[in-house]
Order: sequence, then C-alpha cells, then structure tokens
Amino acid sequence: AQKVTQAQTEISVVEKEDVTLDCVYETRDTTYYLFWYKQPPSGELVFLIRRNSFDEQNEISGRYSWNFQKSTSSFNFTITASQVVDSAVYFCAAGVQGAQKLVFGQGTRLTINP
Amino acid sequence: DTAVSQTPKYLVTQMGNDKSIKCEQNLGHDTMYWYKQDSKKFLKIMFSYNNKELIINETVPNRFSPKSPDKAHLNLHINSLELGDSAVYFCASSQGRLLMNTEAFFGQGTRLTVV
Repeated sequence: AQKVTQAQTEISVVEKEDVTLDCVYETRDTTYYLFWYKQPPSGELVFLIRRNSFDEQNEISGRYSWNFQKSTSSFNFTITASQVVDSAVYFCAAGVQGAQKLVFGQGTRLTINP
Repeated sequence: DTAVSQTPKYLVTQMGNDKSIKCEQNLGHDTMYWYKQDSKKFLKIMFSYNNKELIINETVPNRFSPKSPDKAHLNLHINSLELGDSAVYFCASSQGRLLMNTEAFFGQGTRLTVV
C-alpha cells in the first residue's frame, strides 16, 4: 500500500522568502505517479503538478519548482519569492498504476505573512 | 464553465436524516471519485466509478451509497446521518482507469455539517 508523509504540519514565512514543502512517499510499485495540489482558503483543490516514476527531471513553473529524488523517495516543492497569495494548504499525493486512486499526505498549511 | 461541479456547497442537517450530494463533470471523463476531507484536512478516497461501474469502495459504511446514472454524474447518498459524517466531501474526475496520462480534477467540495 502507498503512504505519503508531509512531516511539516504548518509553515509560516515572511513574503519574498523561499520555502520548501517536503513530501516523502512509500510504495512497492515500480510505476507510480506523484502529485501536488493546492487548497486555498476558498476550499477548492487545485492541481499543480503530476510526475511519473520514470521521470526524475526536476520541474520549474514560474516561482514553483519540484525536486523528485527516487533515492530518498521524496518529491519536494519549493516556492521562490513567496507571496501572500501562496498561503494555502498544500497536499502531496501518490497513485500507482491500476489502483485508480490518490493517496494524500496530511497536508502542509503554508502561511505567507506580509 | 465549471469542470466538476457539486451541489450543494453547504449542507447542514440533523442526525438521522438522509441526504444527497450531486456531482457532474463536463470534461468527458469516464472515471469519477468521491473523497472525504475530515476536520484535520485529511483527504481519503471513498469511492471510484469507471464508466458507471464501481471500482473502488474503501471500507465506507453502507449508509453511504454512490450512484452513477451516467459517466458524467456521480451522486452520493447518505442514510441515517451521524455526527461523524461531518466533513467536506469532494467529487473528482479523470480520464481512464489509470492515472498515467491525467490528473484528477476536483470539484469545489460540499461542506456537510450534521447537528
């Protein structure tokens, strides 16, 4: 069975600081998919990124970047030059081929203070 | 147009009542899901349907009965509501039984409060 751990329950930083959200996953499958979702105060879940287990390339999208390290089973998320609008709960999730479900981490509540 | 829409957004009801939450997606996806988010923000899958066929039922009490009249709809009916059912329920959809080529798109959530 898969398991996703987000050890940081809450993080609070001042605007413009860089912040990294950690995600560690466990799975016995060789083919799996990793995701990050954002849940802003309004409550909806917003998809940020999907990565498959065969693609360890890091990804950058604007101020967001993701570091996928199979050796440490981690898929960390970094926000550069954070902004108040980045304040949200961020979820890391994993899915395995054929299982047809996402297993979510506990979420990290990120607060960006002005 | 909203891709995955749930109604109602808020639902307050008394213990023992029966209630339904509706979900519709206009993405042409063939797989739909219900997830439950508890008061600690923990998200857990409840059900998954592919082409109207139930493929995942994660040890949810049988008071919860999903119904998929067609690929675009997955409704959740809850009988004899209990206080512990209070949570936010998310509907989601994706294309295909595998997660390989797609992500799941989530609705806005339905906040159910049982009093």
